[in-house]
Amino acid sequence: KQEVTQIPAALSVPEGENLVLNCSFTDSAIYNLQWFRQDPGKGLTSLLLIQSSQREQTSGRLNASLDKSSGRSTLYIAASQPGDSATYLCAACLIEYGNKLVFGAGTILRVKS
Amino acid sequence: NAGVTQTPKFQVLKTGQSMTLQCAQDMNHEYMSWYRQDPGMGLRLIHYSVGAGITDQGEVPNGYNVSRSTTEDFPLRLLSAAPSQTSVYFCASSYSFGPSGETQYFGPGTRLLVL
Repeated sequence: KQEVTQIPAALSVPEGENLVLNCSFTDSAIYNLQWFRQDPGKGLTSLLLIQSSQREQTSGRLNASLDKSSGRSTLYIAASQPGDSATYLCAACLIEYGNKLVFGAGTILRVKS
Repeated sequence: NAGVTQTPKFQVLKTGQSMTLQCAQDMNHEYMSWYRQDPGMGLRLIHYSVGAGITDQGEVPNGYNVSRSTTEDFPLRLLSAAPSQTSVYFCASSYSFGPSGETQYFGPGTRLLVL
């Protein structure tokens, strides 16, 4: 059974700092790995999707990497801003159930001004 | 595009009552799904649909029914609400499914409290 783990559970950094969020998964048979952002009381916003054949994806200040062999993905946020404060979720997309997403518990990020 | 919309935003039910959570998308997406989000358990797949007229069970389907009469709509029905169904429910959709692994778009959620 696929399990997704995110470390750390919470992170507090000063504005401007670069940071890395970690995600690990137990089964490498995935279609892709997706990173989402969730603001309190809100839905999930897709940030980046890395296909299983890719190594990384970039969008603005965000860069996500994928290493299927080691079962790891990282989300790198450059020059963090208070507006980046949110919960970040990674999800492994599986072959079963169509395109089932298996989510980690998330990392709660707080960027202090 | 409005994206994925869900109604209601918040609902309180008594044990045994039934209700329907609405989900609609205007992106002509083929794949739609329902998740529930619970503290400490993350998001879990309830039901999914790969097209109009086609639905199937996910990980935690008991107590829920779905139908997909149109491409746009994917309602989730609670047959007889139980306190264990207190949760936040998210609807999601993607253009297609399978090895293409499309980005999935989530609605804003429905917060359900069952007393």
